[in-house]
Amino acid sequence: AQSVTQLGSHVSVSEGALVLLRCNYSSSVPPYLFWYVQYPNQGLQLLLKYTSAATLVKGINGFEAEFKKSETSFHLTKPSAHMSDAAEYFCAVTNTAYQKVTFGTGTKLQVIP
Amino acid sequence: ETGVTQSPTHLIKTRGQQVTLRCSSQSGHNTVSWYQQALGQGPQFIFQYYREEENGRGNFPPRFSGLQFPNYSSELNVNALELDDSALYLCASSLGGGANNEQFFGPGTRLTVL
Repeated sequence: AQSVTQLGSHVSVSEGALVLLRCNYSSSVPPYLFWYVQYPNQGLQLLLKYTSAATLVKGINGFEAEFKKSETSFHLTKPSAHMSDAAEYFCAVTNTAYQKVTFGTGTKLQVIP
Repeated sequence: ETGVTQSPTHLIKTRGQQVTLRCSSQSGHNTVSWYQQALGQGPQFIFQYYREEENGRGNFPPRFSGLQFPNYSSELNVNALELDDSALYLCASSLGGGANNEQFFGPGTRLTVL
């Protein structure tokens, strides 16, 4: 079984401040982990993914995430928030069998000017 | 290279009716996955099709069914619609069905069941 838990359904940060979105996972096998972003009325866009290579994963738009097995976490960070980062972010997990991806419930990021 | 497209963008149906949603995969992709995203929730995996065969299924009843065609486009069919079927339905295509194959999502079809 696999699952993800995203802590905080809404996060607000000031423009230029650090963005930290939290994700904890549960998986019976080594996981593949993903972060997706969803803008209003749009589909999902992949930000980054962990596939058992480097534990620090760099993605698009300046985002990165660190896989910590001991903490079963895969938190998403960005050093400096931009207004354009306001969106909903989903953490997701799957195993190696096929793409039965399990998504978290999402975190809406608000960026305050 | 065109991305993943879905039709229609919006749809309104009544309880008990049947609906068909369509997805055109990105050029060169042979795998399509379907997800249901209820309001305020994350997407939930419905099923995946790889080279015209169902390759895995989530916890959805049999009234949710699908097809994949030789050109790798896909349909999602839902029979006997219920109010709880109201959601955004997303399809995603990829080259291969493995976990390491990046999925590209379409914009979704918003289904409202009255």
